[in-house]
Parts: sequence; structure tokens; C-alpha cells
Amino acid sequence: QKEVEQNSGPLSVPEGAIASLNCTYSDRVSQSFFWYRQYSGKSPELIMSIYSNGDKEDGRFTAQLNKASQYVSLLIRDSQPSDSATYLCAGTSTNSGGSNYKLTFGKGTLLTVNP
Amino acid sequence: SQTIHQWPATLVQPVGSPLSLECTVEGTSNPNLYWYRQAAGRGLQLLFYSVGIGQISSEVPQNLSASRPQDRQFILSSKKLLLSDSGFYLCACLRSSYNEQFFGPGTRLTVL
Repeated sequence: QKEVEQNSGPLSVPEGAIASLNCTYSDRVSQSFFWYRQYSGKSPELIMSIYSNGDKEDGRFTAQLNKASQYVSLLIRDSQPSDSATYLCAGTSTNSGGSNYKLTFGKGTLLTVNP
Repeated sequence: SQTIHQWPATLVQPVGSPLSLECTVEGTSNPNLYWYRQAAGRGLQLLFYSVGIGQISSEVPQNLSASRPQDRQFILSSKKLLLSDSGFYLCACLRSSYNEQFFGPGTRLTVL
């Protein structure tokens, strides 16, 4: 199993719908998880971080973490065309220790929100 | 807040030419710094990271090298570029209080 896996998509949803982005991870990834949004031609932008099991909400975004199932998701409510981007899931590498902190990224899911 | 600067923004270089990409960080001291490459249609690949001046860890064997001559400066270099070195090069900084990585604007490198 790859360390962090995402469906490459593309995922297409109509404007106003809920977009659901999913990510699974292996035993080589643990502790902290992050969702980044990357517009075409731009650098990734951190939009959500989650550290413990359960849900974390920030505006229209909700991150969900289930460590038993090794599963993390991002829900985008009331999707807007401006949400169209590639979403990257990342987790802390378990061989990170002390100051040697590293992230492992999935390949990203392309989301298109249709007006 | 932290700000990451990268230059140049775009670069077109011939195969076999040298490379130097620079990353500087403002608003923090002694940050962990990272170099990533994102090739077309592929994920982010960690190339190097640094926890302090002169301290470089390499993640992937390649013809690239990195240096950290100053606390908030991180440089990516190559003596001879390959076609496969083309990609989007991103510098990132760690905000240690939250273990969150933030990215600079990136340098898009095309090797012809």
C-alpha cells in the first residue's frame, strides 16, 4: 500500500453540492493530517489540519479523521466554482522524530465544481 | 507571520547547464525548510530538508544538491541539469508550533 492514497478523480460536483474527498494511509503515516488546495499553476495552500479522531469544522470545510480505519476525508459544503482545484492529502511520516519532521503527500484529487 | 520567497518564478535551461534556485523566509527564526519537486501529473516529492544552518538531509538520490548557508536561506543546485529535472520546485517552511508546512510560490523549471 502506498503511504498516502487518494482517488485522482476528477471529481465533478454541481455548485451548491457537498464535495467529498477521501484519503487512506498506511502505517508509515501517523499523528497529524493536512489538506492542501492547489490551483492550477500555483503552490499548495494549507486549508485544514486535523490531529485527533473525529470531525473538525472550519467554515464550509470539515475534516474527518478515523485512525482505526486509517482514513481521512475533507467535506466541502455549498461548493463553489472557486473551489475547483486539486486537493492534496498529507500526513506526518512515522520516521519523523524530534526536529526531523516530514510530511508524506498523496497525489491529489482534482475537483471541478460546475456552475 | 511567515513569508516565503522563491526566485526565479520561471526558468528555462538547456540540458547540462547548472542550476541555482533560492528560497528565503521571513518572520521566523531557525525554521525547518524543505525542497519539493512536483513533476507534471505527479505528486509532491520531497527532495531535501534542513533543520538548521549547514544541516541537509537528502531524501532521493539524484543530481541535485541543497545548501543552507544562512538561517533563513535554502538553495537548491545542480551542476548539470537533466531533462527529468523539469518540474515545479517548491520551498516549504515548518511552523513548528502547529507542525504545519507552508509553501512558497514555487519555481517552474523547464529543461530543454
